[in-house]
Amino acid sequence: KAGVTQTPRYLIKTRGQQVTLSCSPISGHRSVSWYQQTPGQGLQFLFEYFSETQRNKGNFPGRFSGRQFSNSRSEMNVSTLELGDSALYLCASSATGTLNEKLFFGSGTQLSVL
Amino acid sequence: GENVEQHPSTLSVQEGDSAVIKCTYSDSASNYFPWYKQELGKRPQLIIDIRSNVGEKKDQRIAVTLNKTAKHFSLHITETQPEDSAVYFCAAVSNTGNQFYFGTGTSLTVIP
Repeated sequence: KAGVTQTPRYLIKTRGQQVTLSCSPISGHRSVSWYQQTPGQGLQFLFEYFSETQRNKGNFPGRFSGRQFSNSRSEMNVSTLELGDSALYLCASSATGTLNEKLFFGSGTQLSVL
Repeated sequence: GENVEQHPSTLSVQEGDSAVIKCTYSDSASNYFPWYKQELGKRPQLIIDIRSNVGEKKDQRIAVTLNKTAKHFSLHITETQPEDSAVYFCAAVSNTGNQFYFGTGTSLTVIP
């Protein structure tokens, strides 16, 4: 099985721009979650989708949004980029997102905001 | 919401020594506690997990202990090897199973 695929691998944007990141889960997985990773802050939960519905959302401003398509692929959008949005964005998939399920992470998208 | 604290943030040990990483959580409803290892430049991967009805779990050189009353859990690595060098993240998972709260990570360096 192919693993979780994230594109693009690297992105450089300037303040005020918007960006869209993509995540393709493992085939058959229906839950996709997104995390922001920064040095010292660890992995911070952004949101989780299952069957095209957002089930949970972390404590991030409304500039961060996402969606999931019928094939379980997910996109994350950040509008009006700020310098502090520079981070590694990881997505993870699991079969159903229920208790005790292992998360499978993608390699991440490294976003740099200049 | 849940708050997970992880200590220490960095840890250096001599090869062959043991390493211990500790995490505390705040939400008594959390009942699943996985540990992920992230090697430099790579994606996080699950190394061990424990459910709230178990106090200890062991897998070869790694073990995890859970104290639900005190709301803390720990990762123990014995006979450390250079390939154990990585960042380790603990997590507490909501009882709905779909929201992972991660600690801030521990950078472990094993000195040959």
